Amino acid sequence: NAGVTQTPKFRVLKTGQSMTLLCAQDMNHEYMYWYRQDPGMGLRLIHYSVGEGTTAKGEVPDGYNVSRLKKQNFLLGLESAAPSQTSVYFCASRDATRVTYNEQFFGPGTRLTVL
Amino acid sequence: GNSVTQMEGPVTLSEEAFLTINCTYTATGYPSLFWYVQYPGEGLQLLLKATKADDKGSNKGFEATYRKETTSFHLEKGSVQVSDSAVYFCALGSGYSTLTFGKGTMLLVSP
Repeated sequence: NAGVTQTPKFRVLKTGQSMTLLCAQDMNHEYMYWYRQDPGMGLRLIHYSVGEGTTAKGEVPDGYNVSRLKKQNFLLGLESAAPSQTSVYFCASRDATRVTYNEQFFGPGTRLTVL
Repeated sequence: GNSVTQMEGPVTLSEEAFLTINCTYTATGYPSLFWYVQYPGEGLQLLLKATKADDKGSNKGFEATYRKETTSFHLEKGSVQVSDSAVYFCALGSGYSTLTFGKGTMLLVSP
């Protein structure tokens, strides 16, 4: 099993450009999450999904959109990138049946720089 | 709402020293508690977990005990190694909700 994979690993954008980050998991997990990690801020939740076709806002959703058309994929879109979106983005997934443990499995991250 | 507070770093230790990283939390209900570790350039990996009061999570020589009376989940290791150098995140999860993370504590271990 590959676990959680993210594409691309690195990206540099100019202000105003758009892009999509792809997260894929092969563990048949129901729940998927997008976080951003900034120095001194820990991980902050952007959006999440509790199943195919469903999405919900997290702590810092502004400027991002997401889609979950297939169970194994969770896409994060930036329609008009801003320098404040320079960050490392992590995707995670979780088995919905393991409610008690709430353990999330993380991808390796995407480092995004917006100039 | 839920929140997690952990000690600021970096924590700098010599090899074989004793490690404690403090973590306290605020939550409604009965959350599960986690420690995640992030090695340089990598994603987060689950280090250990505890799902109810007085549970002790342990893995790779690290331990943490779920203390409901003090709302704490401090991470300890008796003898750290250079390879333990990483950023450690305390987190809590409650039911179907998402995880709430602390800001992370960087550990630097020198030979």
